Amino acid sequence: DADVTQTPRNRITKTGKRIMLECSQTKGHDRMYWYRQDPGLGLRLIYYSFDVKDINKGEISDGYSVSRQAQAKFSLSLESAIPNQTALYFCATSDLPLDSPLKLFFGQGTRLTVV
Amino acid sequence: GNSVTQMEGPVTLSEEAFLTINCTYTATGYPSLFWYVQYPGEGLQLLLKATKADDKGSNKGFEATYRKETTSFHLEKGSVQVSDSAVYFCALSDWEGGSEKLVFGKGTKLTVNP
Repeated sequence: DADVTQTPRNRITKTGKRIMLECSQTKGHDRMYWYRQDPGLGLRLIYYSFDVKDINKGEISDGYSVSRQAQAKFSLSLESAIPNQTALYFCATSDLPLDSPLKLFFGQGTRLTVV
Repeated sequence: GNSVTQMEGPVTLSEEAFLTINCTYTATGYPSLFWYVQYPGEGLQLLLKATKADDKGSNKGFEATYRKETTSFHLEKGSVQVSDSAVYFCALSDWEGGSEKLVFGKGTKLTVNP
């Protein structure tokens, strides 16, 4: 089983609908992240969380919200989906870097299409 | 904030060819540098890393050297295989806001033909 699991893997939704993307992890990591990937733009950080009570905006948080329900679960919501939110979304986790540099572990991604 | 620029793709090579994917960075201080790889249908995974100037990261035949004087971290492999076909991302650590995050380049798609 994957250490970082995203559901659903694929989703088509209509403009204006609310949608939630879920991420769960079995790695025991405190830190969790949501990125979106667009062709030619690479990965951009949406939100990140360093523990259950800590939520931080990334570079492109507008139009998104998150919930850290437990150490192992971090959900991304689109309150009112719009077509330019069509993208591949990745959840990632990391442990607290001590002597080593930050290393991210990624889920397999959720392909979201807004029509 | 810190940023990464990597060569535009896509890159298409024949098996056993030499690979170079260029990456340069802009940063204050001394970030750690990374290459991540994304195989088709999968999430990204760490390929190699370097934490200080002149460090060489290596894994699976890939290498990259942290060059402070040219602010570069180019990815190289002497003889690519079909199984190396993937998207490669250069990344660096960014301490903006007092917490460490990764900043990624736009990715370079590599296709290796038999």
